[in-house]
Amino acid sequence: EAGVTQFPSHSVIEKGQTVTLRCDPISGHDNLYWYRRVMGKEIKFLLHFVKESKQDESGMPNNRFLAERTGGTYSTLKVQPAELEDSGVYFCASSRAPLGEQFFGPGTRLTVL
Amino acid sequence: GQQVMQIPQYQHVQEGEDFTTYCNSSTTLSNIQWYKQRPGGHPVFLIQLVKSGEVKKQKRLTFQFGEAKKNSSLHITATQTTDVGTYFCAGRNSGGYQKVTFGTGTKLQVIP
Repeated sequence: EAGVTQFPSHSVIEKGQTVTLRCDPISGHDNLYWYRRVMGKEIKFLLHFVKESKQDESGMPNNRFLAERTGGTYSTLKVQPAELEDSGVYFCASSRAPLGEQFFGPGTRLTVL
Repeated sequence: GQQVMQIPQYQHVQEGEDFTTYCNSSTTLSNIQWYKQRPGGHPVFLIQLVKSGEVKKQKRLTFQFGEAKKNSSLHITATQTTDVGTYFCAGRNSGGYQKVTFGTGTKLQVIP
């Protein structure tokens, strides 16, 4: 079974630019989560999809962040326009059951200059 | 909102010494999970605890869930260099939508 994949692995952009991160969950996993870890601190929840629906997006920092999961398969997280404080590692995770073990992707390291 | 704190934030131990990290939630949890993130890696699931007072063991790792389901601990016996990493607890609040909140993490360094 293939694991969760994320693309790109690294992204360096300038303040004001747009970046789109992609996550491909494990096949058959309806639950997809986005997290962010900044400067080695805690893993902050951003949002949770169940299939294509947003179950909880209370962790999204502001309206510069837009997450989609069309068709309930892969998901994208767009940051537009990017700010310096958006730098960090963005993790995606998926799970088969809503309360079950989460499988994390390798993360996308975003650097905003 | 729900807060999940872990102590200590950092811990350096000599190889062979024991290590414990504690996780405390501001609210009652329905369950708690533990993850390990190696340096440069991604979080990897270790275990899930559901019942009040539950204790589970995995080789040298012992996990406990408090009686009130508001705290948990992870104890490693006789640490090895392969135990290096950051350990996170992740708690789900009870009732309704069970949102997951990750703890602040404990970074473990093992000195050979």
